[in-house]
Parts: sequence; C-alpha cells; structure tokens
Amino acid sequence: AQKITQTQPGMFVQEKEAVTLDCTYDTSDPSYGLFWYKQPSSGEMIFLIYQGSYDQQNATEGRYSLNFQKARKSANLVISASQLGDSAMYFCAMREGPGSGAGSYQLTFGKGTKLSVIP
Amino acid sequence: DAGVIQSPRHEVTEMGQEVTLRCKPISGHDYLFWYRQTMMRGLELLIYFNNNVPIDDSGMPEDRFSAKMPNASFSTLKIQPSEPRDSAVYFCASSFSGTSGSGAQYFGPGTRLLVL
Repeated sequence: AQKITQTQPGMFVQEKEAVTLDCTYDTSDPSYGLFWYKQPSSGEMIFLIYQGSYDQQNATEGRYSLNFQKARKSANLVISASQLGDSAMYFCAMREGPGSGAGSYQLTFGKGTKLSVIP
Repeated sequence: DAGVIQSPRHEVTEMGQEVTLRCKPISGHDYLFWYRQTMMRGLELLIYFNNNVPIDDSGMPEDRFSAKMPNASFSTLKIQPSEPRDSAVYFCASSFSGTSGSGAQYFGPGTRLLVL
C-alpha cells in the first residue's frame, strides 16, 4: 500500500481563489510528521509547511494552511488567494518517527499534484 | 543564509564516462540525503548520511553508484560508468535533527544529468 496518496494529478484554480490539494497517508506509527513541498517549473524543491502528528492546531504559513484530519489520515494543503506564481507541482511527504531527532528519518513522497493558476 | 549548494547544475556526458555530482549542505545540518527524480519513477531516495556516516544506501540502484561524505560540508555522488538510463535530476537535501523544529529537509537546486 502506498504510504502517501495524492489523488489529483492536476488541478486548475482561478487567480485569487482558494484551492485545496489532497493528501492521504498511511502509517501505524503514532509519531509522524507531514510536509508539503512546491516544485516550480524551474525545478527546485521548496519546503512550504509542516504538521506534526501531535500538533493540536492546523499549521499555517502565510497563504498556506494544512487541513489536518488525523482520524481520516488526511493532510490537505490549502492555498488561499492563489497567485500565478503558485503554478507548480506540489508534493506531500511523510516522516515516520518521533519529533526529536526529526531529521533522522527519511521522507516518503507522494507522486504530486500539478497546480495551474488561471489568470 | 546559504541554502544547499549543488554543482554542476547541468551535466551532459557520454555513456561510459564517470560523473561526479557535488553537494554542500546547510551549515549545522547533520543529515544529508541524495535523491533522484525522473518522470517515470518520481522522487527516489538513494542514500543518506548522518554526521558524515552513511546510514542507508538501499536506494542506490547498483554498484555503479557510490557516495561519500568526507566532512560535514561536502558530499559527492559518483556514477561510474554512466548509462543513458541514469539521466535524471539529482537532488541533495539536508536537515537538522535538533529537538526543536520539524526536521524538514531543505533541497538544493538539483543537477540535471543527461547521459548520451
């Protein structure tokens, strides 16, 4: 079974509208972390936002927020007020393991969602 | 702050040649990861290091691939001999395992490798 599932290969959104990119995950580890990365056409991978499994509040970073529904094992990325520069591939990733020494665990990536923002 | 630095950014070589990719992680980070990205296979973890020591190289495709980290600020990924199927974007990423923070991995700009 895939550990990270992104069911939307491609999404379109009108400029200035909000968009939700879906991500579901599968783990039996009670401690884990969820990440979203952005990869524009230039190719670099940009870290956007993080949610720990024990975090009570949904993570937010500027126009990005993570809709974390633990029981459903989903970690959807919400981008508010879309901009043309948001057009990119977006990857959801998971780290299985505790928060301390967090960097010690490899990330499992989903296949990505290609977001296109329409003017 | 300097991010992860990779060189070269682009490499075109002929089959059978040796290729060396270089990475300088973010200062203070104690983990370093090498990934390969292709359209067919997506993002694959090849190998990662902790404090310069290789921890898991199970993703290295075959003996033609090798990686070293002689010190905390430098790592290399070598392919010898290279083959056309090695054509991909190779990313280096680093992270910090301190008790605070997410442990997010920060990626370099990648090296686009084309083997003819």
